[in-house]
Amino acid sequence: KQEVTQIPAALSVPEGENLVLNCSFTDSAIYNLQWFRQDPGKGLTSLLLIQSSQREQTSGRLNASLDKSSGRSTLYIAASQPGDSATYLCAVIMIYNQGGKLIFGQGTELSVKP
Amino acid sequence: ETGVTQSPTHLIKTRGQQVTLRCSSQSGHNTVSWYQQALGQGPQFIFQYYREEENGRGNFPPRFSGLQFPNYSSELNVNALELDDSALYLCASSWGSFTDTQYFGPGTRLTVL
Repeated sequence: KQEVTQIPAALSVPEGENLVLNCSFTDSAIYNLQWFRQDPGKGLTSLLLIQSSQREQTSGRLNASLDKSSGRSTLYIAASQPGDSATYLCAVIMIYNQGGKLIFGQGTELSVKP
Repeated sequence: ETGVTQSPTHLIKTRGQQVTLRCSSQSGHNTVSWYQQALGQGPQFIFQYYREEENGRGNFPPRFSGLQFPNYSSELNVNALELDDSALYLCASSWGSFTDTQYFGPGTRLTVL
């Protein structure tokens, strides 16, 4: 059974700091991995999708890496800003029945202090 | 903006009642999935539809059912509501396969009293 774990559960950093969020998964037979951002009480915003054959993806100040063999992904945020404060969720995409599903971690709650 | 909308935004029901939640995806999004997110938890997969056919279901009882329509809208129906059904319900859609980027709606907050 696939389990996704995110560490740390919460993180508080001063503005301008570079930071890394961690995601680990127990079953390497994933199809893709996707990082999301969720603001309080809101839906999920997709940040980056990494295909299983890729090692990393970049978008602006965000860089996500994937190591399937070790069951790990990291999300690197450069020069953090107060607007980055949110919960960050990673999800692996698994084949399931005739389709597929996302299996989420519990998220890392990030607070960036001015 | 993901182009995925959900209604209503908030809903309050009492135990034993039935509820229908709605989702409208972008034109061309053939796959739609529904997720339940309890407070402080990651979303849990309920089921998925591809071109109006259910093609995957998570560990939810049969009182959770769904429909997908040709106009790229979908519904989640929950019968015999229980207190534990209180959660944020999210729909997600993608262009083709479930392996494409999933675009989420803003969610419906359901409270069961």
